[in-house]
Amino acid sequence: DAGITQSPRHKVTETGTPVTLRCHQTENHRYMYWYRQDPGHGLRLIHYSYGVKDTDKGEVSDGYSVSRSKTEDFLLTLESATSSQTSVYFCAITGGGGETQYFGPGTRLLVL
Amino acid sequence: AQSVTQLDSHVSVSEGTPVLLRCNYSSSYSPSLFWYVQHPNKGLQLLLKYTSAATLVKGINGFEAEFKKSETSFHLTKPSAHMSDAAEYFCVVSLGSNDYKLSFGAGTTVTVRA
Repeated sequence: DAGITQSPRHKVTETGTPVTLRCHQTENHRYMYWYRQDPGHGLRLIHYSYGVKDTDKGEVSDGYSVSRSKTEDFLLTLESATSSQTSVYFCAITGGGGETQYFGPGTRLLVL
Repeated sequence: AQSVTQLDSHVSVSEGTPVLLRCNYSSSYSPSLFWYVQHPNKGLQLLLKYTSAATLVKGINGFEAEFKKSETSFHLTKPSAHMSDAAEYFCVVSLGSNDYKLSFGAGTTVTVRA
């Protein structure tokens, strides 16, 4: 299994507060991704990174920002959480096959 | 643009009977296609991957999928369902970009009856 951890695994927060989720990899892979999973939508890409300090937007990036200051860590920040951001968040990295992505265990976020 | 459509949101089978999960893709070129499985409250696990080497792809846990270009399909099958196959399954297509982005289907939930 790819070495990917996410923290926290569960988070309850209030509307308007900032939240940061962390993805940590031990595989030294260049590409990292943040997705959200909602019923009926599969997984949707929020942001991704193609190297240290190199990031780009995905299809549902509004309300989210990311940072990658070192290869192993990719942070997702909700600047001011809203109830619509209640979701399960997954981090992924590319494995040895290039296109194949390997996923972390997920973070379940509830915004009240 | 590349996309996938999973034709069934829910499939229910009896233990020991075949499983068929249907996926159609849309792509302007020969894509890479994947099936992932997600067990309850778990992350996603790669079941199998098609990259044009062979049209019939064998994966883990007895699953296989066949790439049919003429039908733009990539259906997932298993000859005999087991209780442990109860999960959500995602058909996924590569967007073919240099940054290896993927597009996910909406998912098919499989329940297995004893």
